[in-house]
Amino acid sequence: QKEVEQDPGPLSVPEGAIVSLNCTYSNSAFQYFMWYRQYSRKGPELLMYTYSSGNKEDGRFTAQVDKSSKYISLFIRDSQPSDSATYLCAMSAHEGGGADGLTFGKGTHLIIQP
Amino acid sequence: NAGVTQTPKFRILKIGQSMTLQCTQDMNHNYMYWYRQDPGMGLKLIYYSVGAGITDKGEVPNGYNVSRSTTEDFPLRLELAAPSQTSVYFCASSTNGNTEAFFGQGTRLTVV
Repeated sequence: QKEVEQDPGPLSVPEGAIVSLNCTYSNSAFQYFMWYRQYSRKGPELLMYTYSSGNKEDGRFTAQVDKSSKYISLFIRDSQPSDSATYLCAMSAHEGGGADGLTFGKGTHLIIQP
Repeated sequence: NAGVTQTPKFRILKIGQSMTLQCTQDMNHNYMYWYRQDPGMGLKLIYYSVGAGITDKGEVPNGYNVSRSTTEDFPLRLELAAPSQTSVYFCASSTNGNTEAFFGQGTRLTVV
């Protein structure tokens, strides 16, 4: 069983829709959860960061973590064509780095249709 | 503020050749990382460094070497290029670990 599972998509939705992106994981030691956005041929950029369970909101983006279910989500409200990108979930057991680094999902390719 | 800068952006190598992928950051970050990203496979950690003079292996270090003589620079060396090293390589840095890593634009390497 892979440590982090993420549906690669592609996920295609119309502009203005609410998008739900998800990852599941198996390592109960993960405490730090991140969502990165990666445009084609660019490096990943951090969107959201959460520690332990709970919700975090930033503008149109909401990140949810449910450690009991080992499940994290990213919601995008009022989706825009500029949101079209690959979204990578990432997680870590340690804030201070270490040999594990960040464990990434494979990424979900999101397409917002105008 | 340039952030994390990687050079070159693209490179084609022949099997057995060597090269160095350059990475420099101007944010005075202690932590630096090298990841590779293969299609449909996510990012895998190759090597990391927690400060000048200190490096350690990540998940997939075979065939690579690194050095960290300064806070700013973290080059990745491929000694004997193999087709399995065809990938996109990303360098990243952070202040206190992995919670907010800033990535470079990547180096797209093809070994033929």
